[in-house]
Amino acid sequence: QSALTQPASVSGSPGQSITISCTGTSSDVGSYPLVSWYQQHPGKAPKLMIYEGSKRPSGVSSRFSGSKSGNTASLTISGLQAEDEADYYCCSYAGFTTLWVFGGGTKLTVL
Amino acid sequence: QVQLVESGGGVVQPGRSLRLSCAASGFTFNNNALHWVRQAPGKGLEWVATISYDGSYKYYTDSVKGRFTISRDTSKNTLYLHMNSLRVVDTAVYYCARGRGPQLWSNFDYWGQGTLVTVSS
Repeated sequence: QSALTQPASVSGSPGQSITISCTGTSSDVGSYPLVSWYQQHPGKAPKLMIYEGSKRPSGVSSRFSGSKSGNTASLTISGLQAEDEADYYCCSYAGFTTLWVFGGGTKLTVL
Repeated sequence: QVQLVESGGGVVQPGRSLRLSCAASGFTFNNNALHWVRQAPGKGLEWVATISYDGSYKYYTDSVKGRFTISRDTSKNTLYLHMNSLRVVDTAVYYCARGRGPQLWSNFDYWGQGTLVTVSS
């Protein structure tokens, strides 16, 4: 099973909005409403930001939102803040053969 | 609060074995699927293995099938990863993660801090 495809890096200025894409196939992203997004700061464990495509866990800022169209999921961060600078990973359920597949990660730089 | 604490990492020679543990607290242990996810140095996240809430079902990524075994002990609230025939490419930080619910397809909501496994001669 191939990894999901994410851009290696994105950047934005404070207050701006950015979107990170996550492209899979009809066997994973396109088939299940089970895409999640994780934020990882250097040397830290990943943190769940979005689950089941568009749901936010308690405590996660409403500036983070998720969506999906076809085989591509997206994470949008509005009102960028310095503390949003981190690596972001998407992950999709891929069925009972492979179960889970991650994206390669996107480094977000807040200019 | 939910806590997952991994242990057991270290330096091991290729071909040897290692057992990782993940002590869980702050939730009812047998209500959730559990997972191992690894991250090689400077690389992205990779799903390794999943075990169902009751231990009945176990799934592995292809590269570890036949070498790694995931298990859980409800009496100790602990998740394990038994790793045999270790290879240099298995070098990574290994995280345990909790599924949001009992289903195998529950997204990972809490993660431990990770334990580093280095396979080197």
